[in-house]
Amino acid sequence: AQRVTQPEKLLSVFKGAPVELKCNYSYSGSPELFWYVQYSRQRLQLLLRHISRESIKGFTADLNKGETSFHLKKPFAQEEDSAMYYCALSGGSLMEGGSEKLVFGKGMKLTVNP
Amino acid sequence: GAGVSQTPSNKVTEKGKYVELRCDPISGHTALYWYRQSLGQGPEFLIYFQGTGAADDSGLPNDRFFAVRPEGSVSTLKIQRTERGDSAVYLCASSLTATSGSEEQFFGPGTRLTVL
Repeated sequence: AQRVTQPEKLLSVFKGAPVELKCNYSYSGSPELFWYVQYSRQRLQLLLRHISRESIKGFTADLNKGETSFHLKKPFAQEEDSAMYYCALSGGSLMEGGSEKLVFGKGMKLTVNP
Repeated sequence: GAGVSQTPSNKVTEKGKYVELRCDPISGHTALYWYRQSLGQGPEFLIYFQGTGAADDSGLPNDRFFAVRPEGSVSTLKIQRTERGDSAVYLCASSLTATSGSEEQFFGPGTRLTVL
């Protein structure tokens, strides 16, 4: 079964502190992993995906297949990073029997204090 | 350009009534998804369309839920005989295609459904 686990619901840090938002997954094939973010009074939007291997707004995430993790990290948090963060997976290419549907974790609320 | 839009933004109905929720995807996006988000939870997949056909409806909780996308653009999620447990935010998303498994999904603002 496909599952995404975000073990912490809340994280509060001070500006400039490092942050790590944990995400673990279970999936029998080769999933695609994503982080979506929802800022206050805004819609859910993509932050980054593992296939792009890019840094967005200073955030990075490395897919660790051995630990089935996709933790999101930022070395120096900013107040504007305060938001709800959701880890999600999809089942990969349809050609390989996957599915485009996203399976989300329960989310984590990050608060960055001044 | 315009993003994904959903109407109504809020819907209050009584138990047992029928409701329709509408989604307008980004122009040119062939894939359209419906999710449901209950309080304190992440979005939960319901159904997705590739063009006019439902490619995966495995998330629909029961036969009271049905969705259509007759012309491959606008989609309507229909809920019959609503129950209090149906209360949630219903999210729609679209993506350019639905074949690679890594397409970005663009989300709408959601419809908040409250069943009294």
